[in-house]
Formats: sequence, structure tokens, C-alpha cells
Amino acid sequence: DAGVIQSPRHEVTEMGQEVTLRCKPISGHDYLFWYRQTMMRGLELLIYFNNNVPIDDSGMPEDRFSAKMPNASFSTLKIQPSEPRDSAVYFCASSNRVRGRGGAGELFFGEGSRLTVL
Amino acid sequence: GDSVTQMEGPVTLSEEAFLTINCTYTATGYPSLFWYVQYPGEGLQLLLKATKADDKGSNKGFEATYRKETTSFHLEKGSVQVSDSAVYFCARLSGGYNKLIFGAGTRLAVHP
Repeated sequence: DAGVIQSPRHEVTEMGQEVTLRCKPISGHDYLFWYRQTMMRGLELLIYFNNNVPIDDSGMPEDRFSAKMPNASFSTLKIQPSEPRDSAVYFCASSNRVRGRGGAGELFFGEGSRLTVL
Repeated sequence: GDSVTQMEGPVTLSEEAFLTINCTYTATGYPSLFWYVQYPGEGLQLLLKATKADDKGSNKGFEATYRKETTSFHLEKGSVQVSDSAVYFCARLSGGYNKLIFGAGTRLAVHP
């Protein structure tokens, strides 16, 4: 079974450039999450979607960050312009709520996109 | 706000040693609690969970019991293996249906 697929796995860019990270969730999952992982701040939830609609974007650090989910099988996280402090591993995760059978909090993570901004 | 606190690592053990990784959570309601594991170069994977007080989650020899009185969810394993070397994250549900708040992570290194 295909898991959550993220691309690119590694990205090195220069300060000021636009960065786009992509995610394909597991088919049938109706929740999608973007997390950022750094040594200093650990795992931070940036934004999550339910049925392609953004539910909570309170973790998005600033206006340079934006996320979209145009359909159930694709999401992007964009940083424009990028800065060195954005260097991190960005994870996408998906989940499926099964009514009456729980599943809350059971996220499936991709392998992450490691971003380095010089 | 909601938060999770777990012991700092790294934790270094010899194979077959007993493992405990402490985790406490802020007592806002009775949230579901989780342990996730991250192997090198990979994303996080759900290890176990507990949804109510006194529940015990278990998987792959790991166990954790939801203790409401101490707001804790400590991870234990009776005999660790080299293959258990990874970073372990404690997490709780917060607010929305699937909004997970993670602890800082504890790195475990097991030596033969």
C-alpha cells in the first residue's frame, strides 16, 4: 500500500527563493497535516485540513508561509521568500476518521522534506 | 495551553536492559495519549495509544498506562534491542479532532 508521499526529499536553496513542498496523502484519508521539525523547537503543527478545507492554521509562522489543498490527493506548502531560519524537516501526515471506530490522533507520516536555506 | 513534557535524552542502554521514558501532559480534560517512534531518516509511526484513564496501550513489547492521577503516560519496555534505537515522541490530542501536540522527543540508543 502506498503511504504518504512527499517531494522533494531534499531541497537546498538560497535565501529569498521560493520553495514549494508537495504531499500526496493516503487515498481515502480526509485529514492532512503539515508539521515542521527542528532541533530547537521539536515538532510543530503548522496547519491541517479536513476534506480539503483548512481547519487550523494558527501554527503557520508568518505570511511567508502558505498551504493549499486543491483536491483530496494533493497539498502544497509554499515559503516565499525563504530565509535560513526556515531550514528544517517538513513532514506531511494524513489520517482518516472512521465514525464509531475511533482513529483520532492516528496519523500516517511521510518521510519528510529536508529543507536547507543558505 | 495544552502541552506534553518528556524526559530529555539521549537515553543510552545496553541490549536487554529495562527502558522507561517519562511523559506528563497538561491536565486539560481527558485527552487521548500516544507514543510515536521515529527511526533514522524516516517519518513518525504510531507505536501505541490509550484513550481513557487506566487504559494500557501496548505494541512490540512496549507498554504505557494512562495515569489520570499523575497526568502521566510513561513508556516502558522490559528488554530493549538494538533495533529499538530511535527517537520516541509522546503526544496528546488537543482541541480539534486530530490535532496532536508532541513532546520534544527522547532519543534512545541501545548498544549490543
